[in-house]
Amino acid sequence: DQQVKQNSPSLSVQEGRISILNCDYTNSMFDYFLWYKKYPAEGPTFLISISSIKDKNEDGRFTVFLNKSAKHLSLHIVPSQPGDSAVYFCAASALSNDYKLSFGAGTTVTVRA
Amino acid sequence: EAGVTQFPSHSVIEKGQTVTLRCDPISGHDNLYWYRRVMGKEIKFLLHFVKESKQDESGMPNNRFLAERTGGTYSTLKVQPAELEDSGVYFCASSQRAYGEQYFGPGTRLTVT
Repeated sequence: DQQVKQNSPSLSVQEGRISILNCDYTNSMFDYFLWYKKYPAEGPTFLISISSIKDKNEDGRFTVFLNKSAKHLSLHIVPSQPGDSAVYFCAASALSNDYKLSFGAGTTVTVRA
Repeated sequence: EAGVTQFPSHSVIEKGQTVTLRCDPISGHDNLYWYRRVMGKEIKFLLHFVKESKQDESGMPNNRFLAERTGGTYSTLKVQPAELEDSGVYFCASSQRAYGEQYFGPGTRLTVT
């Protein structure tokens, strides 16, 4: 059973605009969440994370929001740049599972010039 | 600092043959993970080593898969005999501690024909 879901397989956004990627999870034991970015033929690269004790974490152009009651998190990229075109994976982990990562299926972001 | 490396980058084998994948984690990282991505779906956990010990192998599909981490350094993942459904991209990741981000290698693309 897939415990982390990214319901939008793709997203197209104009350069300079905001990209919003969404992720839902079902396991209430998850207490640490991460976003990874992946280019073709490369491994996932860590982007940003958030602990369940927080509801927001910001790092430059990237902000992750966590809504625990809704079991939902989102990644905001502002402003979007052509180099942001990639597949973005949401991942979640739990102390009870030794923090092994459960991934969503990914969202392909295309930034148009 | 060198990142996680994996060898080979691509392997094509026939059904019934044996393949061994290798992962060299970042130096000093005690935690080593294997993941697999099949048919562009979500990345799924296979197993987790802490040093040379298997901490969690709950994601291993069946007994045709054997992972080792001799001396707590590099790890190998052997598939014997390979089946068509084993095709996919196998990622290795490492981390200093279980909590926090994991650093991924570029992956090994396995094609079983």
